Amino acid sequence: DADVTQTPRNRITKTGKRIMLECSQTKGHDRMYWYRQDPGLGLRLIYYSFDVKDINKGEISDGYSVSRQAQAKFSLSLESAIPNQTALYFCATSDPGQGVLYNEQFFGPGTRLTVL
Amino acid sequence: SQQGEEDPQALSIQEGENATMNCSYKTSINNLQWYRQNSGRGLVHLILIRSNEREKHSGRLRVTLDTSKKSSSLLITASRAADTASYFCLPMDSSYKLIFGSGTRLLVRP
Repeated sequence: DADVTQTPRNRITKTGKRIMLECSQTKGHDRMYWYRQDPGLGLRLIYYSFDVKDINKGEISDGYSVSRQAQAKFSLSLESAIPNQTALYFCATSDPGQGVLYNEQFFGPGTRLTVL
Repeated sequence: SQQGEEDPQALSIQEGENATMNCSYKTSINNLQWYRQNSGRGLVHLILIRSNEREKHSGRLRVTLDTSKKSSSLLITASRAADTASYFCLPMDSSYKLIFGSGTRLLVRP
């Protein structure tokens, strides 16, 4: 089984709809992240969480919200989807390991979201 | 936070040739990581080099780090068609606010 899973894998929705993307991990990592990737571009950080009680905005948090329901689950919501939120969304986890130097990211398979 | 900038943006080589891509960054780092992304899929961690290291090897991968020039390079030797992907560098400073650049798109022609 995959260590980091995302549901749904594909979603088509209409402008104004509320959408939730879910991420689950079995790696036991405290840190979880949500990114979006637009065609031909790198990943941009939306939100990140270093533990269940810690939520932080990333580079592009406007229009998004998150919920860290448990160590293993981190959900991303689009309260009122708009077409320019059409993108590939990735969840990732990391573990600081020994000290804070490591921080390798483990990525989920991605969710392709289309907002019409 | 800081963002790595990869160069070139695109690279096309023949199978069996070596591929070199570069990364520049702006401020001091704890470590620098390289990731690969196959089309439409999640990124996969390739290699991490710490700020006190100058060179690191992993299979056909060789990474160098020059902290005085704030740059890193990733060399893939004896490339294969399966190496076709986008490659991203991720300079890690103490902020841990991760920002990926736009990557280098590598095409290995059979």
